[in-house]
Amino acid sequence: NAGVTQTPKFQVLKTGQSMTLQCAQDMNHEYMSWYRQDPGMGLRLIHYSVGAGITDQGEVPNGYNVSRSTTEDFPLRLLSAAPSQTSVYFCASGTPGSSYNEQFFGPGTRLTVL
Amino acid sequence: AQSVTQPDIHITVSEGASLELRCNYSYGATPYLFWYVQSPGQGLQLLLKYFSGDTLVQGIKGFEAEFKRSQSSFNLRKPSVHWSDAAEYFCAVGGVQGAQKLVFGQGTRLTINP
Repeated sequence: NAGVTQTPKFQVLKTGQSMTLQCAQDMNHEYMSWYRQDPGMGLRLIHYSVGAGITDQGEVPNGYNVSRSTTEDFPLRLLSAAPSQTSVYFCASGTPGSSYNEQFFGPGTRLTVL
Repeated sequence: AQSVTQPDIHITVSEGASLELRCNYSYGATPYLFWYVQSPGQGLQLLLKYFSGDTLVQGIKGFEAEFKRSQSSFNLRKPSVHWSDAAEYFCAVGGVQGAQKLVFGQGTRLTINP
């Protein structure tokens, strides 16, 4: 298993540009989530999904869109990039249940918005 | 609202010394508690998790954590640190229905003196 994969690893955008961060998992996990990591703030939840076709907002959803058309993929779209979206983005996946209630994280995408 | 506090932003210990990283949480129901480690430029790796049962949890790399409900704490410990333990450590809380919605602490950066 490749686990959770994210592309690209690094990206530089100009203010106002749009782009999609890709996330895929091959573990047949129902849950997928996107977090952003900023210095001194830990990780904050952007959007999450409990299954194909079902998404919901997390703590910091503004400026981001998601969709979940398949179990495997959960792309994050930046509609009009702003410098405040400069961050490291992590995708995670997991399976609900008392013994498996954990998330597996991808390697991250470092995004800089100029 | 759920929250996690890691009071120590940065800790420095000598190699071979014992370590304790503090984590306090606020959660309205039975919490699922996690400790993750992040090496520089890397993703997050799960060290250990607590759901129920024995309040002393063993994890990977010789780490353990103790859940204290009365103190709303889940402190991470290691009897003797190694230089390779230098990293950032994150405490996180989730719920039975919120496995995909983890709330993270701010993180504690651990430096090891030779």
